[in-house]
Amino acid sequence: GQQLNQSPQSMFIQEGEDVSMNCTSSSIFNTWLWYKQDPGEGPVLLIALYKAGELTSNGRLTAQFGITRKDSFLNISASIPSDVGIYFCAAPGNFGNEKLTFGTGTRLTIIP
Amino acid sequence: DVKVTQSSRYLVKRTGEKVFLECVQDMDHENMFWYRQDPGLGLRLIYFSYDVKMKEKGDIPEGYSVSREKKERFSLILESASTNQTSMYLCASSPGGATNEKLFFGSGTQLSVL
Repeated sequence: GQQLNQSPQSMFIQEGEDVSMNCTSSSIFNTWLWYKQDPGEGPVLLIALYKAGELTSNGRLTAQFGITRKDSFLNISASIPSDVGIYFCAAPGNFGNEKLTFGTGTRLTIIP
Repeated sequence: DVKVTQSSRYLVKRTGEKVFLECVQDMDHENMFWYRQDPGLGLRLIYFSYDVKMKEKGDIPEGYSVSREKKERFSLILESASTNQTSMYLCASSPGGATNEKLFFGSGTQLSVL
């Protein structure tokens, strides 16, 4: 199946720092999604992107749909303790009614 | 509030045992999914279902089967558990229609096969 590679695999940052992560694929997608998994919970949808070049924000989170349609980026500004968790990119197939493929995940840890 | 409930948070089974993982959703969603989550590999789709009694293979169906006898319930079955099936299993549902962007996940079942 399609593969979505996320980078970095893990991040250790101090509270207040900004965070950047990305997701790349060898395939073109028409939609990019970002999910977050809190410790001990299932993933929850944060942001959906539908157009190449689109920039969408959700509070301190900003995500971008890459121009090539093969990548997406997520930034978190001024991180706080509740940002801890695993962030997944995801993309549906391009022919409608298809399953989501998830990325490998980026684990964010905040150092006290 | 939307809810997907997985019957067990932790399970420990022995190699060769038949294992049932149960998932129930209370949102009248058409679609249900089973993923497994492994460090460094992300979430990988095992099976999914778009309707009662209907199932389709995901990316890693080998060693698993599923059952959907009622709309709200989707069961994952490990016919003969093996140690390489030790993993976190996540069930999800979505309303249906043309796309499946917003999935609602359960809290997961951590399965250990000894």
